[in-house]
Parts: sequence; structure tokens; C-alpha cells
Amino acid sequence: QKEVEQNSGPLSVPEGAIASLNCTYSDRGSQSFFWYRQYSGKSPELIMFIYSNGDKEDGRFTAQLNKASQYVSLLIRDSQPSDSATYLCAAKGGSSASKIIFGSGTRLSIRP
Amino acid sequence: GAGVSQSPSNKVTEKGKDVELRCDPISGHTALYWYRQSLGQGLEFLIYFQGNSAPDKSGLPSDRFSAERTGGSVSTLTIQRTQQEDSAVYLCASSLIEREMRNEQFFGPGTRLTVL
Repeated sequence: QKEVEQNSGPLSVPEGAIASLNCTYSDRGSQSFFWYRQYSGKSPELIMFIYSNGDKEDGRFTAQLNKASQYVSLLIRDSQPSDSATYLCAAKGGSSASKIIFGSGTRLSIRP
Repeated sequence: GAGVSQSPSNKVTEKGKDVELRCDPISGHTALYWYRQSLGQGLEFLIYFQGNSAPDKSGLPSDRFSAERTGGSVSTLTIQRTQQEDSAVYLCASSLIEREMRNEQFFGPGTRLTVL
């Protein structure tokens, strides 16, 4: 079992709709979680981080964390073509206290 | 200000040769990470440096891989006797607030390694 799992996609969403990206993690001791966006051929860039149960909103992005279910999600409202990228979920803490473990990413495609 | 830089940006080498990849983190960042990303895959953790502590080498795939960080700043990842399966993009990241939850990482542009 991978430590951080994501559906590889591609996830296709019409422009203006809500894109929902999901991630599960296996280490119950993980403490903080990150969503990175990676455009093709580019390096990842941080979109959101969350460490408390519940929702965290930043502009069009909302991160959701449910530690009981070991589940993290990212919602993108009013999806734009520029949101088309691979989204990487990452977890930190627990048994691997310092290192950050990444999922394999979900490819998101926003169709005009 | 300057971000994380890596060199070279591209490296083509022959199987069996040794390669060195360099990372210059953001000045003052105490944590430095190396990752490997194969085509279409996620990031594979390789090694982590934090200040003067012993590095976490648990992600290094074999003893052909090693890394050092001199003076708490520049880091070099060395791959000895390269194999074709070593071909990937090697990414370096640094962060400042290591002990807190946030730990935002800033990534370099990566080094694309191709082993023929």
C-alpha cells in the first residue's frame, strides 16, 4: 500500500465547474498535508497546506482534512483552463517525522 | 530574491559513469530535500538535510546514491555507476520553517538526467 494515494486521472471538468481532487494516506500519525500544483515540465508549487480537521479556504481553493478517515481533498471552484495541471498531495509527520511523502498526482483537465 | 537553483539543467551520460547534481537552496533555509521524479510519476523522496542533524537517507534507492551538504548550504547528489533506470528529473527543495506544521517547500527547476 502506498503511503499517499491519489487517483491518477485524468479528471476532466468543464470550465466554471468545481473540481474535486482526493487523497488518502496510510500513516495515521501524519500531521500536516499539502497540495502542490505541477504544470507539465515544471516544478511543483505549493497551493494549500492544512493540519487541522475541517476546511481551509484560500480564494478559489478549499482544502478539506478528515483525520479520522485519513482523507484530504482539494476543491477548486470556478475552474479555469489555467488550472489544468497535475495536483500532488503530500503528507508530513507520523513515522516519517521530517520527510514529506508525495502521492503520484492527479491530472486535471479543464475543458472550455 | 533568488530561488532554489540547480545545475546542470540537463545531463546526458553513459551507463556506468558517475554524475554529480548540485543544489543551491534559498539563503537561510535550514531544510533541504532531494526528490526524483520519473516521467508521469509522483515525487520519490531520496534524502533530507536539516541543519547540522544527521541526514535522513531512508529514500536513497541504492548505495550508488549519496549526497552531502556543505556548510549547511549547497548540496550535491552523486550517483555512481549510473544505470538506465536512474534516468529521471532530480528535484531539490528547501524550506525555512522546519519545526512547524507549515514547512512550505520551494522547489528548484530540476536536473533532467538521461542515462544512455
